[in-house]
Amino acid sequence: DTEVTQTPKHLVMGMTNKKSLKCEQHMGHRAMYWYKQKAKKPPELMFVYSYEKLSINESVPSRFSPECPNSSLLNLHLHALQPEDSALYLCASSRSGHGNTDTQYFGPGTRLTVL
Amino acid sequence: QQQVKQSPQSLIVQKGGIPIINCAYENTAFDYFPWYQQFPGKGPALLIAIRPDVSEKKEGRFTISFNKSAKQFSLHIMDSQPGDSATYFCAASMYGNKLVFGAGTILRVKS
Repeated sequence: DTEVTQTPKHLVMGMTNKKSLKCEQHMGHRAMYWYKQKAKKPPELMFVYSYEKLSINESVPSRFSPECPNSSLLNLHLHALQPEDSALYLCASSRSGHGNTDTQYFGPGTRLTVL
Repeated sequence: QQQVKQSPQSLIVQKGGIPIINCAYENTAFDYFPWYQQFPGKGPALLIAIRPDVSEKKEGRFTISFNKSAKQFSLHIMDSQPGDSATYFCAASMYGNKLVFGAGTILRVKS
């Protein structure tokens, strides 16, 4: 089973709202990733957690706050977003900790619209 | 040096045709080259991947050709079907570093 699940599928929020995206995998993977994808563009890496510790932050604005409560779960907390943050947010996981060239498995994404 | 250049940007083929998507890289430290397929509104799904110690890999109708000396790799889709219409991304990575994606190719297979 190579499934990464994400909730919600769609999210509409105002610029003053606080919301969270959730990602879950039960493959025993030790690295989890958040990507942002705009239309007709490749995914852009935002954060990497390796063995439940934040190992990479690609200079993402602080209005995005990641959290890894345990090895199976990854959250992305959103606060005071801008309309330009509207995008497909993808979660991915890979077997070993970040740095190993293991396959990354992507979830279906959360389509976020910021009004 | 961290870039992966992908071409063409878009491609239209007839059903049964063999679309070919090409990627080129500069950094010889890359040692893992996956291809992802993405349908609208869905996450990318791993299609096939190759490491530089082999020159070709086949999985079903999908084949990767890898030319280490030219620093190029390509995806061939045999007997293409309308259901193959999607966006295809090549990517590359190396130990200790993130996955670098190509810009993507939008493939349309006409029935």
